[in-house]
Amino acid sequence: KNEVEQSPQNLTAQEGEFITINCSYSVGISALHWLQQHPGGGIVSLFMLSSGKKKHGRLIATINIQEKHSSLHITASHPRDSAVYICAGETSGSRLTFGEGTQLTVNP
Amino acid sequence: SAVISQKPSRDICQRGTSLTIQCQVDSQVTMMFWYRQQPGQSLTLIATANQGSEATYESGFVIDKFPISRPNLTFSTLTVSNMSPEDSSIYLCSVDLAGEETQYFGPGTRLLVL
Repeated sequence: KNEVEQSPQNLTAQEGEFITINCSYSVGISALHWLQQHPGGGIVSLFMLSSGKKKHGRLIATINIQEKHSSLHITASHPRDSAVYICAGETSGSRLTFGEGTQLTVNP
Repeated sequence: SAVISQKPSRDICQRGTSLTIQCQVDSQVTMMFWYRQQPGQSLTLIATANQGSEATYESGFVIDKFPISRPNLTFSTLTVSNMSPEDSSIYLCSVDLAGEETQYFGPGTRLLVL
């Protein structure tokens, strides 16, 4: 069983919709990262969470430590948000264990 | 922040050969990581490369197949040895900057083994 599980695997939305991607993780993970991977393969780190909530522009990430669950929200989605979104759990030594990723497609 | 470059950006190789991938960072970092992303899958950590010590490999990865060098605080190499088509993947390096929460990823090396 993977230590980090994401849902949904694929998500299609219309421009302007509110989007939520979920991530559950197991014991031993001290922090949760959200990453964005564009079609060319480049990976950008969006957030690192160990508690609470963070916001950057239209992106919001939350984490519930008791439930071992995190969500990434995108408000007012836009076609340029189309990418693969990956959650990754951080364990000792800053090592990351990755979820399977969510392919997001936002249609105009 | 950190700017990371990788060479080569892509390559096509014959089975049985070896390829060395370079990762260069524009600042000194203690911890560097090598990941593999097989087609259609998410990333998997291969090893952690710390300067001045041997790399630490994750379960399923061994030094004979993926030897790693870390000669200084800004550079590392990963060699994919005796390649087979199953090694066709994107290989990425990343770094963890002291005092920063996020990791920075290189652009990746796309490897196709025929």
